[in-house]
Amino acid sequence: DTGVSQNPRHKITKRGQNVTFRCDPISEHNRLYWYRQTLGQGPEFLTYFQNEAQLEKSRLLSDRFSAERPKGSFSTLEIQRTEQGDSAMYLCASRNEGNQPQHFGDGTRLSIL
Amino acid sequence: GDSVTQMEGPVTLSEEAFLTINCTYTATGYPSLFWYVQYPGEGLQLLLKATKADDKGSNKGFEATYRKETTSFHLEKGSVQVSDSAVYFCALRPPNDYKLSFGAGTTVTVRA
Repeated sequence: DTGVSQNPRHKITKRGQNVTFRCDPISEHNRLYWYRQTLGQGPEFLTYFQNEAQLEKSRLLSDRFSAERPKGSFSTLEIQRTEQGDSAMYLCASRNEGNQPQHFGDGTRLSIL
Repeated sequence: GDSVTQMEGPVTLSEEAFLTINCTYTATGYPSLFWYVQYPGEGLQLLLKATKADDKGSNKGFEATYRKETTSFHLEKGSVQVSDSAVYFCALRPPNDYKLSFGAGTTVTVRA
């Protein structure tokens, strides 16, 4: 069990640029989640995958956001035309079937200049 | 909708003091309840969980009991250490659902 891995750990970019984050879940986990955490707040749900199927997207996930999990393993989260308000920690979590807890990665911290 | 309210921080304690962080929730049915801990610069780690009323979760000296009658899941530790300094999040997962709803977090600082 190598844990959930997220890359990069930090991303600094100018407003208007596109960014892409990657999440590698624990290998046997078929469920994958993305959350966003702003300073001083708890994580907020963004989207959920079961295998390669994206089953739910939060209203927080505007049209500029897109997430994929093409082969049911790693996932990517892309933000197009970044805005100041996108600055946050983006967390990925995975879990197995049944009533199992989610395991979180260390997150990608996005800073928009 | 489902929500979690936890005690505002920051909380500052001396080593070996007793820690309590209050957490109450609003949900239909019987959600699963969790405490996660976040150390500086790291992601969230599961600390403990409870899946039904009167269950007690425990780990690393921390305990929390699922109280349906008061819709609470307060976190306690009898004797804290400097290494317990972190942000603590209470969370719930509704029955037949898969996403977590988190409280705002409570920052705990333990001084030697």
